[in-house]
Amino acid sequence: AQKVTQAQTEISVVEKEDVTLDCVYETRDTTYYLFWYKQPPSGELVFLIRRNSFDEQNEISGRYSWNFQKSTSSFNFTITASQVVDSAVYFCALSEVDNNDMRFGAGTRLTVKP
Amino acid sequence: KAGVTQTPRYLIKTRGQQVTLSCSPISGHRSVSWYQQTPGQGLQFLFEYFSETQRNKGNFPGRFSGRQFSNSRSEMNVSTLELGDSALYLCASSPLRQGGNTEAFFGQGTRLTVV
Repeated sequence: AQKVTQAQTEISVVEKEDVTLDCVYETRDTTYYLFWYKQPPSGELVFLIRRNSFDEQNEISGRYSWNFQKSTSSFNFTITASQVVDSAVYFCALSEVDNNDMRFGAGTRLTVKP
Repeated sequence: KAGVTQTPRYLIKTRGQQVTLSCSPISGHRSVSWYQQTPGQGLQFLFEYFSETQRNKGNFPGRFSGRQFSNSRSEMNVSTLELGDSALYLCASSPLRQGGNTEAFFGQGTRLTVV
């Protein structure tokens, strides 16, 4: 069965600090997809990244970077030089090819203080 | 390009009533999925519709149902509402079958309160 664990319930940092959000997943499939979404107070989930299981290259997009390690079943998300606007709940999700739905982690609430 | 539109944004219903929520996906997207978000259970998959057919269903009772129209707009219905159905219901649209080879774009959700 697929499962996503985000052990950090809440994180609070001061602006300009770097912060890493952890995501650990479980799946029996060899082909699967991992996602990160951001949920601001407005409620909608904002897509950040999709990664398939065959692509272990790390990715950087501006201040955001992702570290995918199949050996430890982790897909961690780092925000560099955090800003107040980064305050939100961040969700990691897993999708298996056969199931075709996304299994979300419990989310990590990030608060960035000025 | 307009995003995913969900209506209404807020809804208050009485226990035992039924409710219908609407979702208009991004133009050209054929897949619509529904999720329930509660503080206790988090985000849970309800069902996915693609080309007017339900393709996948989560672990929810039969009181939860949905449909998709030829223009890809989707509705979900909850009958005999219970207090525990109070949640944020999120709709997601994808150009292809959701999950694998494409990302899903979410609406702002409908916040349902059952009293």
